[in-house]
Amino acid sequence: GENVEQHPSTLSVQEGDSAVIKCTYSDSASNYFPWYKQELGKRPQLIIDIRSNVGEKKDQRIAVTLNKTAKHFSLHITETQPEDSAVYFCAASISLDAGNMLTFGGGTRLMVKP
Amino acid sequence: DAGVIQSPRHEVTEMGQEVTLRCKPISGHDYLFWYRQTMMRGLELLIYFNNNVPIDDSGMPEDRFSAKMPNASFSTLKIQPSEPRDSAVYFCASSLDRGRNTIYFGEGSWLTVV
Repeated sequence: GENVEQHPSTLSVQEGDSAVIKCTYSDSASNYFPWYKQELGKRPQLIIDIRSNVGEKKDQRIAVTLNKTAKHFSLHITETQPEDSAVYFCAASISLDAGNMLTFGGGTRLMVKP
Repeated sequence: DAGVIQSPRHEVTEMGQEVTLRCKPISGHDYLFWYRQTMMRGLELLIYFNNNVPIDDSGMPEDRFSAKMPNASFSTLKIQPSEPRDSAVYFCASSLDRGRNTIYFGEGSWLTVV
């Protein structure tokens, strides 16, 4: 099955700096790559996703890039703010008739220091 | 829509007791997922349903765990008998059918088995 590796496990940045989180996946058939943000004690919430037919997607201060050849994708957060502090999870799935099974990475704890 | 609704939000129970977690998916969603989150193992998919039918329960840790979905608006995850190692946050999530992969999580049920 699919295996998703996420790095780093923790990331500390100064407010205003950029943060980059990287994920690799094993199954070349995966074609959907969402990113979830989980604040302490809260549920994971989708912040951005990308499908395999595009290489980059942006939404204000966050962007995701995808390299299908190398089987890796990254989350970029620019101009980080203290409220960006959370655990971020990447995931990958194959959209099949059988369903939308997501395999999650291990998570990255991002700390933004004011 | 109120989103995915889970109950109870918090439960503390003694080892050996039966635990029942409940979930109401977002109205109209065809897929329902049960995830378990722990520090050691991250987010694990336990089981998922499509149109109330269990599709893949390979993530269910052992026979003490069972899940049902008697109708489109209700699912349960039962642990009997519970053990301290079952302590975790259990998330229910739902999504629309293929082509709409976004998975929406509930607030989670925080289970502590003492």
